[in-house]
Amino acid sequence: GNSVTQMEGPVTLSEEAFLTINCTYTATGYPSLFWYVQYPGEGLQLLLKATKADDKGSNKGFEATYRKETTSFHLEKGSVQVSDSAVYFCALEGPTSNTGKLIFGQGTTLQVKP
Amino acid sequence: GAVVSQHPSWVICKSGTSVKIECRSLDFQATTMFWYRQFPKQSLMLMATSNEGSKATYEQGVEKDKFLINHASLTLSTLTVTSAHPEDSSFYICSAPPGQETQYFGPGTRLLVL
Repeated sequence: GNSVTQMEGPVTLSEEAFLTINCTYTATGYPSLFWYVQYPGEGLQLLLKATKADDKGSNKGFEATYRKETTSFHLEKGSVQVSDSAVYFCALEGPTSNTGKLIFGQGTTLQVKP
Repeated sequence: GAVVSQHPSWVICKSGTSVKIECRSLDFQATTMFWYRQFPKQSLMLMATSNEGSKATYEQGVEKDKFLINHASLTLSTLTVTSAHPEDSSFYICSAPPGQETQYFGPGTRLLVL
């Protein structure tokens, strides 16, 4: 069945460092891919998404490209800030499209130190 | 932006009692809501889809008699954990899509069964 695998955290970076959080998926077909972020004490928020191969989602300086050949959707940011400290979840919509059902990775905690 | 609330944010109960968790969409209507469960350091697992005006649909392996879902109105879904046991202790999260391409998540409810 469909699944999502994220790199294990926590990830600790200094402010202005480059961030990569790896995400790979297993799916039949070409599902939409998402990154959600959860700040302390808040609900998950959509960070960015991509709906087809080679699409690049971007928001708030974060980017991720839908790579069909490597079944990956890695999250990147060129210069992180302390305010980016949160838990990041990679997800895909499945098992079929347009159901609203999401399959999540286990989440990666990011801690950015000043 | 759209907000989804959950109540209570945390609850402690004795084994054998039932616990009700509410999920409300505050500024939009949702004919469908989703309930997820998250264990520590693990991903969110979809439990069921709550449908306004009809029965909930449960994911494989989720006991429908254990986790009762009622979609009472277009802004309220409730999850009742019946005869709770310590293994039901978890973090329960709901989400609601105001449209086809977006979902908003509640902040979650932490349940501890003693």
